[in-house]
Amino acid sequence: DQQVKQNSPSLSVQEGRISILNCDYTNSMFDYFLWYKKYPAEGPTFLISISSIKDKNEDGRFTVFLNKSAKHLSLHIVPSQPGDSAVYFCAAGSSGSARQLTFGSGTQLTVLP
Amino acid sequence: DTGVSQNPRHKITKRGQNVTFRCDPISEHNRLYWYRQTLGQGPEFLTYFQNEAQLEKSRLLSDRFSAERPKGSFSTLEIQRTEQGDSAMYLCASSFRDGSGGAGYGYTFGSGTRLTVV
Repeated sequence: DQQVKQNSPSLSVQEGRISILNCDYTNSMFDYFLWYKKYPAEGPTFLISISSIKDKNEDGRFTVFLNKSAKHLSLHIVPSQPGDSAVYFCAAGSSGSARQLTFGSGTQLTVLP
Repeated sequence: DTGVSQNPRHKITKRGQNVTFRCDPISEHNRLYWYRQTLGQGPEFLTYFQNEAQLEKSRLLSDRFSAERPKGSFSTLEIQRTEQGDSAMYLCASSFRDGSGGAGYGYTFGSGTRLTVV
């Protein structure tokens, strides 16, 4: 039972264009969401988060959008750069669950120069 | 403080052997987590500690697995009688109790220990 789903295993984007990574969840108890980036042979690195009381959070080139009614969130990267090429994980948590996170299976983003 | 440190980085073991991994968290963090990641999947929660107390365990953590954090600092994860299905990346993460400390509600992960059972 996958509570957090990333249905696109891979995405290729041209440098300078927008990258949009999508994530769906099923558990209504999730009240915060995060995106992590992972390079090979390294652990995931925190990128950006959003609380369920918001529908948008922006940090530089990265923006996360949350649609609670659709149980959907997306990560926008504008403009995309070759250094953004990595696996991106969506994760969700519940404030009542000791910060245990449930991760999606990841999307491999490749930014082509 | 250079972040979360995990040792060894790689471990190859024969089926049936016992293995132990170590995690040194960020010193100010009082929460420590173990996750497991298999190929093509995201990390899956195994267990977490607040200081030295192990407060939550996943059903993924069979009785062959044991984790300790004896003094509330470093932690060890032991797998007894390893099986080929235990082959995975084992990730450790740490955080402040209230989720603050520069990463929002998130964690700081180590680089992981890759276990291969042959």
